[in-house]
Amino acid sequence: RKEVEQDPGPFNVPEGATVAFNCTYSNSASQSFFWYRQDCRKEPKLLMSVYSSGNEDGRFTAQLNRASQYISLLIRDSKLSDSATYLCVVTPYNQAGTALIFGKGTTLSVSS
Amino acid sequence: EAGVAQSPRYKIIEKRQSVAFWCNPISGHATLYWYQQILGQGPKLLIQFQNNGVVDDSQLPKDRFSAERLKGVDSTLKIQPAKLEDSAVYLCASSTLPGTGGQETQYFGPGTRLLVL
Repeated sequence: RKEVEQDPGPFNVPEGATVAFNCTYSNSASQSFFWYRQDCRKEPKLLMSVYSSGNEDGRFTAQLNRASQYISLLIRDSKLSDSATYLCVVTPYNQAGTALIFGKGTTLSVSS
Repeated sequence: EAGVAQSPRYKIIEKRQSVAFWCNPISGHATLYWYQQILGQGPKLLIQFQNNGVVDDSQLPKDRFSAERLKGVDSTLKIQPAKLEDSAVYLCASSTLPGTGGQETQYFGPGTRLLVL
């Protein structure tokens, strides 16, 4: 079983749609959780951290369910510029400087 | 603030040749990572340095890959000899020293795209 699993998609949605990505992780000791965004042929960039209480940043909402070892990302009112690959990321310890464990990524394509 | 610098950006070599990649992290960042990203996959850690010491190299194929960060600043990653399956993007990332808790944000460089023929 892979440490971080995501539905690779692609998700093809029209502008204005709401889209949700799911992710599961296998190591129950995982402590920190993130969503990264990677544009085609570019480096990954941090989109947002994910907390048990859930967090929202504009049109983006991230949720964590530790009991189910499940992470989600919801994008509302999709824009063309949201087209990218979204990477689910965990770290095994609540310790700074620890390497990130990435999922394969979920590809989103938003069309007009 | 300058970001993580990497060179070269692209490299094409034949199998069994050697190649080296260079990374200069963000100034003041003590932790440096090398990741390998194969097409269609997420990045996978190869090696993590803190200052000039290795923290984790458990996933580095040591028979052909080596890395160093002699002065605790910039770093080089070498492959010798290269195999076809080494074709990938090699990403360097850096972050600040571990704090009292929480995950320090990692900043990635643009990567070196390697093609082994």
